[in-house]
Amino acid sequence: DAGITQSPRHKVTETGTPVTLRCHQTENHRYMYWYRQDPGHGLRLIHYSYGVKDTDKGEVSDGYSVSRSKTEDFLLTLESATSSQTSVYFCAIGRVGGAGNEQFFGPGTRLTVL
Amino acid sequence: RKEVEQDPGPFNVPEGATVAFNCTYSNSASQSFFWYRQDCRKEPKLLMSVYSSGNEDGRFTAQLNRASQYISLLIRDSKLSDSATYLCVVGEVPNDMRFGAGTRLTVKP
Repeated sequence: DAGITQSPRHKVTETGTPVTLRCHQTENHRYMYWYRQDPGHGLRLIHYSYGVKDTDKGEVSDGYSVSRSKTEDFLLTLESATSSQTSVYFCAIGRVGGAGNEQFFGPGTRLTVL
Repeated sequence: RKEVEQDPGPFNVPEGATVAFNCTYSNSASQSFFWYRQDCRKEPKLLMSVYSSGNEDGRFTAQLNRASQYISLLIRDSKLSDSATYLCVVGEVPNDMRFGAGTRLTVKP
């Protein structure tokens, strides 16, 4: 298995509170991603990073921010959580270009916003 | 219209059956295609890439039809352990990859 961990694995929080999810990799991949998965939807990209301090938005980035201060860590922050952000969040790593478009996913974080 | 569409199922098949899933995609410029497998409450894992010429990996065969913009996955001699949700994935990283919502397969004894 790819060396990706996520923390916490489960979290229940209240509307309006800040939440930070952490993704940690031991594979030294340059690219890291945050997705959310909701019933009836495929995984949707929130933000991604292509290096330390280099990040960009995905298709559902509103209400989320990210930071990457070290190659191995990619943080996702919900500044003020809303019930619509209740979801399962997956971090992923992967190569870009060449033969490698595959992504490897972390175990996920189940977030419930009450 | 969703960019990647799959029949959500569920497909309920007996052990040993052959089952096929299709997935349609809207972006004709896409160059990369994959099938991922996701077990209940787990992360998606790559099952196989889909090449233009089609490819086979044991009991699994994937095909690409660019003209009609769909990919398919065929599972032969289904096993109980094949029960999972199969995700169709189309497009390129870092930000053009699109995931289908998945097709659920249950293989019964």
